Amino acid sequence: DTAVSQTPKYLVTQMGNDKSIKCEQNLGHDTMYWYKQDSKKFLKIMFSYNNKELIINETVPNRFSPKSPDKAHLNLHINSLELGDSAVYFCASSQDGRNQPQHFGDGTRLSIL
Amino acid sequence: AQSVSQHNHHVILSEAASLELGCNYSYGGTVNLFWYVQYPGQHLQLLLKYFSGDPLVKGIKGFEAEFIKSKFSFNLRKPSVQWSDTAEYFCAVRSSGSARQLTFGSGTQLTVLP
Repeated sequence: DTAVSQTPKYLVTQMGNDKSIKCEQNLGHDTMYWYKQDSKKFLKIMFSYNNKELIINETVPNRFSPKSPDKAHLNLHINSLELGDSAVYFCASSQDGRNQPQHFGDGTRLSIL
Repeated sequence: AQSVSQHNHHVILSEAASLELGCNYSYGGTVNLFWYVQYPGQHLQLLLKYFSGDPLVKGIKGFEAEFIKSKFSFNLRKPSVQWSDTAEYFCAVRSSGSARQLTFGSGTQLTVLP
């Protein structure tokens, strides 16, 4: 059983388009995250939601909007895609509590033409 | 704000060689420390974690790491690497001031030659 699942796995689209990436976790975790991994493999947190509420919102363009319909889902919508958005986006989740590690999804490789 | 440094960007070893990957963090307070591994084309998996207690922690697949508070370090070690250990390794830190936010290092690519 996949614990943290993201769809799609690959996304190729043109500049200016709007796209969404979905994430679901079946671990019963309270907190979900979106990370961006650039071409140099550097991982940077973008957003974090706890029980459907935004708790971390790093400096990302307003074109990125996370949506959490329930605590098991955290989707990422991106408007007006730009070349610099090309990256691998990872969803993760964790249980509340200090001593809880994060569990990652397989990633979505986004390529902007 | 916390930061994490992994000074080795790419390490190449032969099978059976010993491994040590460096990780240093900057934060003056209490931290939780993690090592994650990312095999080619896969997601990040937790190798090991340190929260408190014995500074020498053992993880999966024969990996271990030692927390040295005075040096702000959490180096990853394995006595004898295998070809299947070829992957990207990420050190991460979570400070007491940000209960949920992980800060990752830039990663170290390990290539093990058969």
